[in-house]
Amino acid sequence: KNQVEQSPQSLIILEGKNCTLQCNYTVSPFSNLRWYKQDTGRGPVSLTIMTFSENTKSNGRYTATLDADTKQSSLHITASQLSDSASYICVVRGSSASKIIFGSGTRLSIRP
Amino acid sequence: GAVVSQHPSWVICKSGTSVKIECRSLDFQATTMFWYRQFPKQSLMLMATSNEGSKATYEQGVEKDKFLINHASLTLSTLTVTSAHPEDSSFYICSARDPASGREAEQYFGPGTRLTVT
Repeated sequence: KNQVEQSPQSLIILEGKNCTLQCNYTVSPFSNLRWYKQDTGRGPVSLTIMTFSENTKSNGRYTATLDADTKQSSLHITASQLSDSASYICVVRGSSASKIIFGSGTRLSIRP
Repeated sequence: GAVVSQHPSWVICKSGTSVKIECRSLDFQATTMFWYRQFPKQSLMLMATSNEGSKATYEQGVEKDKFLINHASLTLSTLTVTSAHPEDSSFYICSARDPASGREAEQYFGPGTRLTVT
């Protein structure tokens, strides 16, 4: 069964600190993996996309990694800011289907 | 990046009435749009895939007669919640894929519509 699991479910850190969010998937065959940021009451916004051959991709203070062998991805946030408070969703697309599989998300809260 | 809009951003309606939500792709043509529902503290759940010029494809458990989808043009899809009940209260999000972006085309999400049924 194609699944995407994220951890932790929620996380609270102090402003300025770093954090890492995890995503494990069982989707096969694999096409790509995206990390989205969803602010409360808003639609998701794409942060990064990674394909099978990519290991690391950065977007400002966000750095995503992908290990296609272990089917794990992480999103590292550096020097967190209050505006980083949001839900971060890992989404995986399989090669053989048009549907995408959503993780349940990690709710991140940045405290001053 | 591509922009997808939704209207209205929020709506309150009485039980038994119908509500229409619009989803527009503003700077690209989308042959396929997707409708999602999101309950508090949960992830997005795909309701249906909207195909321009043909019938929508509904996910298992989603009543097609209750959630009417019309994809009348390449830039507009509408979701009508008919005979709304309080349990239909949720956050409805649409997305659209720009086919010109190729195989790895990203889904661009709308800002969502908060529906409250009283």
